[in-house]
Amino acid sequence: SQQGEEDPQALSIQEGENATMNCSYKTSINNLQWYRQNSGRGLVHLILIRSNEREKHSGRLRVTLDTSKKSSSLLITASRAADTASYFCATDTTFMNRDDKIIFGKGTRLHILP
Amino acid sequence: DTGVSQDPRHKITKRGQNVTFRCDPISEHNRLYWYRQTLGQGPEFLTYFQNEAQLEKSRLLSDRFSAERPKGSFSTLEIQRTEQGDSAMYLCASSLPGGAYEQYFGPGTRLTVT
Repeated sequence: SQQGEEDPQALSIQEGENATMNCSYKTSINNLQWYRQNSGRGLVHLILIRSNEREKHSGRLRVTLDTSKKSSSLLITASRAADTASYFCATDTTFMNRDDKIIFGKGTRLHILP
Repeated sequence: DTGVSQDPRHKITKRGQNVTFRCDPISEHNRLYWYRQTLGQGPEFLTYFQNEAQLEKSRLLSDRFSAERPKGSFSTLEIQRTEQGDSAMYLCASSLPGGAYEQYFGPGTRLTVT
């Protein structure tokens, strides 16, 4: 079954607004990563947050992690047309249990309206 | 370094045929991952290697699938007796050792089974 599950599945906002996506997961993790995939292009790593970190920033991106709730959020501030893409969270459980692997969620499709 | 490369980029095959895909990771990356992605879904983990050792295989990887990384550099993914359900994008990624590093993805091989 899917470890990470993003919410919402799809999001449309006006350019300049902030976009927030959430990710929930089921088992203990080493770290959680967010990736972006533009239409027809490969996956690009955005940010990694370790299980002992609570918040991380990278440019216009802000990621939070709440291990007690097994959830993470990705905030994109001052959105741009180029932010239109699918965003995936990926949880890393390698070496933690028998079912260790890196698992991606189904993604949030973000559309920035002009 | 030009990043992760995959060959071929597209493959059309008839049901029942065998296909083999190749992935060349970033040269200093010990870890290599294979994923499968279908339309509207996130990447599904198939298997990963640390150097030449295959450390984990997903239950998605049926007996018709086999992956190798004989010298700890490039990897091949073979699908025997292809089925229409195998049609998907096959993604390869590499990273430094340990799960706390970002994965760099290749462009993928799109497989169409007719």
